[in-house]
Amino acid sequence: GENVEQHPSTLSVQEGDSAVIKCTYSDSASNYFPWYKQELGKRPQLIIDIRSNVGEKKDQRIAVTLNKTAKHFSLHITETQPEDSAVYFCAATPSGGSNYKLTFGKGTLLTVNP
Amino acid sequence: DSGVTQTPKHLITATGQRVTLRCSPRSGDLSVYWYQQSLDQGLQFLIQYYNGEERAKGNILERFSAQQFPDLHSELNLSSLELGDSALYFCASSRIQQNLRGGYTFGSGTRLTVV
Repeated sequence: GENVEQHPSTLSVQEGDSAVIKCTYSDSASNYFPWYKQELGKRPQLIIDIRSNVGEKKDQRIAVTLNKTAKHFSLHITETQPEDSAVYFCAATPSGGSNYKLTFGKGTLLTVNP
Repeated sequence: DSGVTQTPKHLITATGQRVTLRCSPRSGDLSVYWYQQSLDQGLQFLIQYYNGEERAKGNILERFSAQQFPDLHSELNLSSLELGDSALYFCASSRIQQNLRGGYTFGSGTRLTVV
């Protein structure tokens, strides 16, 4: 089955700096890669996703890049703000049919210091 | 409100007991997924149901079982509870489309504490 590795496990940055979180996946059939943000005590929420036919996607201060050859995808947050502090999870799935089981990385605790 | 409803929000029970967690998916979503989240293990996939049928199984213990009913709500049953079962249990739902646009929508979770 799919295995997703996520690094780093913790990341501390100064407000205004950029943050990068990296994930690798094992199943070459995976073609959908979402990122979730989970604030303390709350549910994970989708913040951005990318499909395998796209190399990069941006949404305001957030961007995701995908390298299918290397089986590697990354989340980039620019101009970080204290409200970006949360745990971020990457995930992957070989979506198809009626089985869309997402395999998640173990998460990155991002702390943005004012 | 995400549209995915989980009850109860909190549950405290003793070892050896059995509990049932309930999930109502977002309107229109046919697929329900159960995940266990503990501090050191992240989001661990337990089981998926699609329109009443089991579609995928993760590292779900034999003491755990689930089902999805005709009205599409799902229940996760945990029996012979152990201290290590203490965790946050999330339900998520999705619309089954060719390309899973929009990912999962998670419920707010049930925090289970076994004492």
